[in-house]
Amino acid sequence: EPEVTQTPSHQVTQMGQEVILRCVPISNHLYFYWYRQILGQKVEFLVSFYNNEISEKSEIFDDQFSVERPDGSNFTLKIRSTKLEDSAMYFCASSETSGGASEQFFGPGTRLTVL
Amino acid sequence: DAKTTQPTSMDCAEGRAANLPCNHSTISGNEYVYWYRQIHSQGPQYIIHGLKNNETNEMASLIITEDRKSSTLILPHATLRDTAVYYCIVRGANNQGGKLIFGQGTELSVKP
Repeated sequence: EPEVTQTPSHQVTQMGQEVILRCVPISNHLYFYWYRQILGQKVEFLVSFYNNEISEKSEIFDDQFSVERPDGSNFTLKIRSTKLEDSAMYFCASSETSGGASEQFFGPGTRLTVL
Repeated sequence: DAKTTQPTSMDCAEGRAANLPCNHSTISGNEYVYWYRQIHSQGPQYIIHGLKNNETNEMASLIITEDRKSSTLILPHATLRDTAVYYCIVRGANNQGGKLIFGQGTELSVKP
């Protein structure tokens, strides 16, 4: 059964460093998403992406964040200069369409630890 | 997207049916009810969704009241591996961005 994959599973970085989190969405899906979950808190939407453009972004997704689909399979989230408060689980998701009838499937997540 | 209300936690005996309620009294006609679950910091797992009719798949059943103001997720024979946080999410058909808005969910504990 097709699934969303994410690498790395755990990333440790120093404050101020750049990190790139990688995702491989399900192959026939066209809509891609990033969410994050700070330990003990809710899953929060960051950004949605379609046709090489951001469709929607949350207030969390400021200028430090960027997303890219560098090739036909990968979808990346870059944090330019990490802060301590960026420590969280980051989940990638994908769906065939964006409408309410289309399920989103999530990857296993990347645990980001900023020291 | 309409707001949902779920109990904070529930217990269920292994082998019994787990019935998880969700209130969404402000749901509008084109909004779907989705259920996801999250097992201990793993990625949220899609369970089922519906619009008006009851739905069933290999994981669960979704019962939506006639007025659509509430729904119940049923796990027919709960196992210890069903222990997780269950999220009820309402999502508009015209939600162009596609985002899911997660609440606190219901923490289901399945006990032997």
